[in-house]
Amino acid sequence: NAGVTQTPKFQVLKTGQSMTLQCAQDMNHNSMYWYRQDPGMGLRLIYYSASEGTTDKGEVPNGYNVSRLNKREFSLRLESAAPSQTSVYFCASSEAGVSGNTIYFGEGSWLTVV
Amino acid sequence: QKEVEQNSGPLSVPEGAIASLNCTYSDRVSQSFFWYRQYSGKSPELIMSIYSNGDKEDGRFTAQLNKASQYVSLLIRDSQPSDSATYLCAVNGDGGFKTIFGAGTRLFVKA
Repeated sequence: NAGVTQTPKFQVLKTGQSMTLQCAQDMNHNSMYWYRQDPGMGLRLIYYSASEGTTDKGEVPNGYNVSRLNKREFSLRLESAAPSQTSVYFCASSEAGVSGNTIYFGEGSWLTVV
Repeated sequence: QKEVEQNSGPLSVPEGAIASLNCTYSDRVSQSFFWYRQYSGKSPELIMSIYSNGDKEDGRFTAQLNKASQYVSLLIRDSQPSDSATYLCAVNGDGGFKTIFGAGTRLFVKA
C-alpha cells in the first residue's frame, strides 16, 4: 500500500551540483506532478505530466527538468542547484485531470542547497 | 494579487468549538475547489472537495462555496486537538492539471 514514493527524503547539495529526485506511484494513475513548498508560499506546481509520454510546465519551471519514464515514474532534475531551490519537494499523482479526482502526495523531499 | 488567498493565522479555537477557515480566489472561471490538511512535516491530504454553490457536509467538516463572491470556506465542528494542522485551499480552473494552492491557514485547537 505504498501510494506515491519519492526519494531521497533529505539531501544537501552544494551550489552548482546536480541531482535527480525520483518518484513512483503504484495506483495506476495517468497524471503526475512535482510541487515545491516554501514557507508562506503554499504549494507551487513545477511540472506536470498529464499522461505517459507528455510533460508540461507549471508555475515555476525554471531551473528544473522532468522525465516521465513510464506510467509509474516521474523524475525531477536540478541541473545546477541554486540556494533559491532550497525547498520541500512533493511528487503527486491523480487519476486524470484534477476535476473530480483526488491528488495523492508523496511524503516529501527536503532539499537544502548551500 | 495572489490567485488563492488565505489568512495565514494562526487561528486558535478551544476544543469543541467551530473553526471557520476562509479562502478567496481570483479566477472567475474556476470550477473545482479543494481543502487539504497538512500536519507539520507531513504531506497534504484531501479532506473535502466542492464543485457547486452551496454547502457540502462530510462528518464534522462542511465546505461552503459562493462562486459569485469567489469565496470558499471550511467549517470544522466540534474541533479536536487532532485537527491542529495547516489547512490549504486549492482551486482548479478548467478541470485540467494546474491546481493553485493557497499558502494555508494554521489552526490550533486548545484542549
